[in-house]
Amino acid sequence: KNEVEQSPQNLTAQEGEFITINCSYSVGISALHWLQQHPGGGIVSLFMLSSGKKKHGRLIATINIQEKHSSLHITASHPRDSAVYICAVGNTGNQFYFGTGTSLTVIP
Amino acid sequence: ETGVTQSPTHLIKTRGQQVTLRCSSQSGHNTVSWYQQALGQGPQFIFQYYREEENGRGNFPPRFSGLQFPNYSSELNVNALELDDSALYLCASKGPNQETQYFGPGTRLLVL
Repeated sequence: KNEVEQSPQNLTAQEGEFITINCSYSVGISALHWLQQHPGGGIVSLFMLSSGKKKHGRLIATINIQEKHSSLHITASHPRDSAVYICAVGNTGNQFYFGTGTSLTVIP
Repeated sequence: ETGVTQSPTHLIKTRGQQVTLRCSSQSGHNTVSWYQQALGQGPQFIFQYYREEENGRGNFPPRFSGLQFPNYSSELNVNALELDDSALYLCASKGPNQETQYFGPGTRLLVL
């Protein structure tokens, strides 16, 4: 069993739709990261969370420490949001565990 | 543009060879982490260096080793390459009071 599970694995949405990607983890963590990876491999760090909620533009990330669950929301989705979104958790031992990613395609 | 560069961009090696991958971080980024991402998989954490010392390691064998230098560059060395080492290798760095890791573009390694 993976320490980090994401759902869905693949997601196709129409432009403008509200999108939610979920992440559940089974280890104790110091922080949770949401990453965006475009074709070709480049990774951008979107958020780092240890509690509550963060918002950046059309992106919102939430975390529930008790339930060991986080969600990434994209409002008013756009084709340029098409990418793989990866959830990763870091523990106090400086180890990181990654989900396998959610591949998002936004259709114009 | 993250300010983190990696070299080479692509590399082909044969089984049993050794490889050194390089990462150059932003000035002041004294924490660097290395990750392996196989095709179609999420990244796997290899190890983390802080101020030139390894301070965290994932489930990788000792033939994966690293170095971090005072000029904010670092290396990932892999000895006795195996076919399964074929992957994208990513480095990421951050400064002392930063939350965000900055990722390099990665090095694609193919082991034949």
